[in-house]
Amino acid sequence: DQQVKQNSPSLSVQEGRISILNCDYTNSMFDYFLWYKKYPAEGPTFLISISSIKDKNEDGRFTVFLNKSAKHLSLHIVPSQPGDSAVYFCAASAGSAGNMLTFGGGTRLMVKP
Amino acid sequence: SAVISQKPSRDICQRGTSLTIQCQVDSQVTMMFWYRQQPGQSLTLIATANQGSEATYESGFVIDKFPISRPNLTFSTLTVSNMSPEDSSIYLCSARVYNEQFFGPGTRLTVL
Repeated sequence: DQQVKQNSPSLSVQEGRISILNCDYTNSMFDYFLWYKKYPAEGPTFLISISSIKDKNEDGRFTVFLNKSAKHLSLHIVPSQPGDSAVYFCAASAGSAGNMLTFGGGTRLMVKP
Repeated sequence: SAVISQKPSRDICQRGTSLTIQCQVDSQVTMMFWYRQQPGQSLTLIATANQGSEATYESGFVIDKFPISRPNLTFSTLTVSNMSPEDSSIYLCSARVYNEQFFGPGTRLTVL
């Protein structure tokens, strides 16, 4: 049973437009959420996180929104750049920010020039 | 932050053999983990590498198949034993620093 799901395996966006990557979770104990970006032949790198006490966290071009009632979070990238093309993983943990991470299946984002 | 290196970066192995993957972190960290990413799949936690004691394995993973060592706070190894083609995956080492988790570049393993 997948506790963290990313239902879109891929997303294609034009440079300069907004990219929206979605993630759903089923475990109501999850209270800390993270987004990772992964380039080919590299390990995932941390992008942005959000605690369940907040519904939005912003860092430059990246904003994460959390809808606890819907058990849904999304990552917005605006404006999108070709260098943003990568696989994006959503991850969640329960109990505290330091606990085990459960990852979604990833969404491959392609930003076209 | 933490910089994590892994050796080897990739390998092609024969069925029935074993491969040991090394993970080095550039600073002392309390928690180190090993993940597997099978083709087209997400990252799955294999085990938590505990310093000075046996690793803690997740459901579906056992010590006989994936023995792990953690001799100090900066180094760990994962062995994939008696390999079969189903073990072909990317194996990733990870370390937690405060509330952030960092990943190594991964070891791409192909078993023939």
